Amino acid sequence: SQTIHQWPATLVQPVGSPLSLECTVEGTSNPNLYWYRQAAGRGLQLLFYSVGIGQISSEVPQNLSASRPQDRQFILSSKKLLLSDSGFYLCAWKGLGGYTFGSGTRLTVV
Amino acid sequence: TQLLEQSPQFLSIQEGENLTVYCNSSSVFSSLQWYRQEPGEGPVLLVTVVTGGEVKKLKRLTFQFGDARKDSSLHITAAQPGDTGLYLCAGAGYALNFGKGTSLLVTP
Repeated sequence: SQTIHQWPATLVQPVGSPLSLECTVEGTSNPNLYWYRQAAGRGLQLLFYSVGIGQISSEVPQNLSASRPQDRQFILSSKKLLLSDSGFYLCAWKGLGGYTFGSGTRLTVV
Repeated sequence: TQLLEQSPQFLSIQEGENLTVYCNSSSVFSSLQWYRQEPGEGPVLLVTVVTGGEVKKLKRLTFQFGDARKDSSLHITAAQPGDTGLYLCAGAGYALNFGKGTSLLVTP
C-alpha cells in the first residue's frame, strides 16, 4: 500500500535560520508530489508541485524553494526564514483515487 | 487560479441536527473532491464527484455536484460530535485548488 511520510511534526525556528522539510512516499513510483501551506484553520495554498525528479513548478513568489532529488522524495527549503513563513505545511501525492496527504509540519518562526 | 468559495465559514450545531455546506465557483471543474481535516492532521479524502448532477452518499453524508460542474454541496444528516472538523472542497486541475473550508463544530 502507498504511504506518505512527512517530518518533523513540529518545528520552532528563529527568523533568519534555514529550513528543510522532507517528504517521502512509499509504494508507488513516479508520483506527482505537492507542497501546500495552510493558515490556521483555513484552506490550503499550493506552493510547489513536481511531476518527476528535478522538475519543480512554483505557484507563488516566496521565500521558499523545493527540490526533488529522488523519485519519491520531495524537500521544502528556505535559506532564511521570515515570520510570515509560519504555518502548517502539507506534502501530498496524487493517486488514482485522489490525493493523499502527509500528517503535516507545524512551523513556527519566532 | 480557479476560485472556490465555501459557505458558511463556521457552523456550530447540536447533535442530531442537519446541515448543508456549499462550494461554489465561476469555473467548470472536471471533478471536485471533498476532504475532512482534523486539527494537526492532513486532509482525508471523503469523495470525488465527476459527473454533472451526480449524487454520492457516504453513510450520513450526501454529496452533490452541480449540473454545470461549477458547484457542489455536502449535506450531513443527524450530525454527530465525530463529524466535527474542517470540510474542504477542492477542484481538480494540474493540482488541487482548495476552498477556504467550513469549520464545523457539533456539540452533544
